[in-house]
Amino acid sequence: DQQVKQNSPSLSVQEGRISILNCDYTNSMFDYFLWYKKYPAEGPTFLISISSIKDKNEDGRFTVFLNKSAKHLSLHIVPSQPGDSAVYFCAATPNSGYALNFGKGTSLLVTP
Amino acid sequence: GAVVSQHPSRVICKSGTSVKIECRSLDFQATTMFWYRQFPKKSLMLMATSNEGSKATYEQGVEKDKFLINHASLTLSTLTVTSAHPEDSSFYICSARDMGSGASSAQYFGPGTRLLVL
Repeated sequence: DQQVKQNSPSLSVQEGRISILNCDYTNSMFDYFLWYKKYPAEGPTFLISISSIKDKNEDGRFTVFLNKSAKHLSLHIVPSQPGDSAVYFCAATPNSGYALNFGKGTSLLVTP
Repeated sequence: GAVVSQHPSRVICKSGTSVKIECRSLDFQATTMFWYRQFPKKSLMLMATSNEGSKATYEQGVEKDKFLINHASLTLSTLTVTSAHPEDSSFYICSARDMGSGASSAQYFGPGTRLLVL
């Protein structure tokens, strides 16, 4: 069963605007959440993470928000750039040393 | 960030042959590495957890005799697909966590290996 869900398979955003990618999870044991960016035929590249003791983590243009009561997290990219076009995977784990549970990914297209 | 390499990046083999994929952490040590598999347009699915110096832990539905994992050192894990069949064609990705980065640290992924079994 899918414990991490990304319900939007694709998202299109204009360059310069904000991209918001959403992720929901069902396992209350998950304590550590990550976002990865992936291009076809390449391994995922780590973007940003957040632990459950925080509700926000920011790194440059990327901000991750965590709403633990709703079991929901989101990745905000602002401003969006054409180079951000890729598939974004949300991942969760009960402990950072454990294997990751991935969502199915959201394909982001940033248009000029 | 930390670097994980995989070799080969792509391999084509005949049905019935075995293929070995290497995963190396280049600038850090990893007692645990993970092997994932991705089918087209699907998420990454965990196959097994590779532990240095001990047996790998396989996920339900993954045949341990078919997907042999050896974690011989703190920087190297290998996945051998034995007697490969066309249905084993997939994208295989490994990941590792830097032991020295503290309690909360990301897993870093290799670039993946594309396996095509004819």
